[in-house]
Amino acid sequence: KAGVTQTPRYLIKTRGQQVTLSCSPISGHRSVSWYQQTPGQGLQFLFEYFSETQRNKGNFPGRFSGRQFSNSRSEMNVSTLELGDSALYLCASSMDPSSTDTQYFGPGTRLTVL
Amino acid sequence: AQSVTQPDIHITVSEGASLELRCNYSYGATPYLFWYVQSPGQGLQLLLKYFSGDTLVQGIKGFEAEFKRSQSSFNLRKPSVHWSDAAEYFCAVVAGGSQGNLIFGKGTKLSVKP
Repeated sequence: KAGVTQTPRYLIKTRGQQVTLSCSPISGHRSVSWYQQTPGQGLQFLFEYFSETQRNKGNFPGRFSGRQFSNSRSEMNVSTLELGDSALYLCASSMDPSSTDTQYFGPGTRLTVL
Repeated sequence: AQSVTQPDIHITVSEGASLELRCNYSYGATPYLFWYVQSPGQGLQLLLKYFSGDTLVQGIKGFEAEFKRSQSSFNLRKPSVHWSDAAEYFCAVVAGGSQGNLIFGKGTKLSVKP
């Protein structure tokens, strides 16, 4: 079974631009979460989606948004990029949001903002 | 609010030596706890998880962890470290009742001496 896929793997943008990252969960998984990883702040929760509905949202500004499609694929968008948005963005999927379900992470998208 | 503390930023052990990585959590109820490992340039891989029951949890790659409620700890152990264990290790706790919303510690980087 294929794992969680994230595209693109690497991305370079300039300040003020916007970016869209994509995540394809493991087949059959309907829950997708996003995390931002930076050297200074570590791993921080961005959002969680299940059946096209946002269940939880982390403490990030409104420039960060996301959505989930009917096939469970998810995208996150960052508008008006800032230098501090440079990070590894990780997506994770599970069958459902149950706390006991195993969550699998993708390899991440490395975003560099110049 | 929930939080996770990993007191050791960087640990170096000799190959074949035993390992213990510390994790302390702050959570009002019974926590759901996880240990993940991240190799350079990779996503996170689940090593083990604790939800309830036996406080000694076995995971993959020969790792185990012990939940100690009285000490609010969930330390990761391995009896004999291999060079391939060199990576960064993250302890995490569920926030908000969903595994898709994890709070992570800052991580402990493990180096292995030959």
